[in-house]
Amino acid sequence: KAGVTQTPRYLIKTRGQQVTLSCSPISGHRSVSWYQQTPGQGLQFLFEYFSETQRNKGNFPGRFSGRQFSNSRSEMNVSTLELGDSALYLCASSLWTLTNEQFFGPGTRLTVL
Amino acid sequence: QKEVEQNSGPLSVPEGAIASLNCTYSDRGSQSFFWYRQYSGKSPELIMFIYSNGDKEDGRFTAQLNKASQYVSLLIRDSQPSDSATYLCAVRPGGSNQFYFGTGTSLTVIP
Repeated sequence: KAGVTQTPRYLIKTRGQQVTLSCSPISGHRSVSWYQQTPGQGLQFLFEYFSETQRNKGNFPGRFSGRQFSNSRSEMNVSTLELGDSALYLCASSLWTLTNEQFFGPGTRLTVL
Repeated sequence: QKEVEQNSGPLSVPEGAIASLNCTYSDRGSQSFFWYRQYSGKSPELIMFIYSNGDKEDGRFTAQLNKASQYVSLLIRDSQPSDSATYLCAVRPGGSNQFYFGTGTSLTVIP
């Protein structure tokens, strides 16, 4: 079974621009979560989608948004990029089970200049 | 604020020894507990999960959970240089799929 895929793997943007990242979950997984990972803050939860609905949202500004499509693929968008948005953005998918273990994709490395 | 605390290390152990990684959490309603391994430049990889008090073994790995003490640990027996990585503890509260991660413990296994 194929794992979680994320595109693109690397992005370089300038301040003020916007960016869209894509995530395809493991086949059959309907829950997709997004995280931001930086050396100083570790893994920070952005939001989670299940069946096209946002179920949980972390403590990030409104510049960070996301959506999920009917095939469970998800996108996240960051508008008006700031230097501090430079990070590894990780997507994780899971089944809704007792333990709900999450499986991560390879991530998108975003650099904001 | 639901907090997950880990000793950042670095933790160094000789090859063949037991590595012990610890994690504490603040939310008593937490339901599931996970250990991820992350190699430098890579994404986290799920090693183990546990949701009942006690021990759970999988090969060289043993996860231990004590809900009364709000403590979860990971033991790695017969440590190998390939185990050198950052280990992340994650906690899932009951009724939510929002995971809370610790900042990770860096482990180095010395040949």
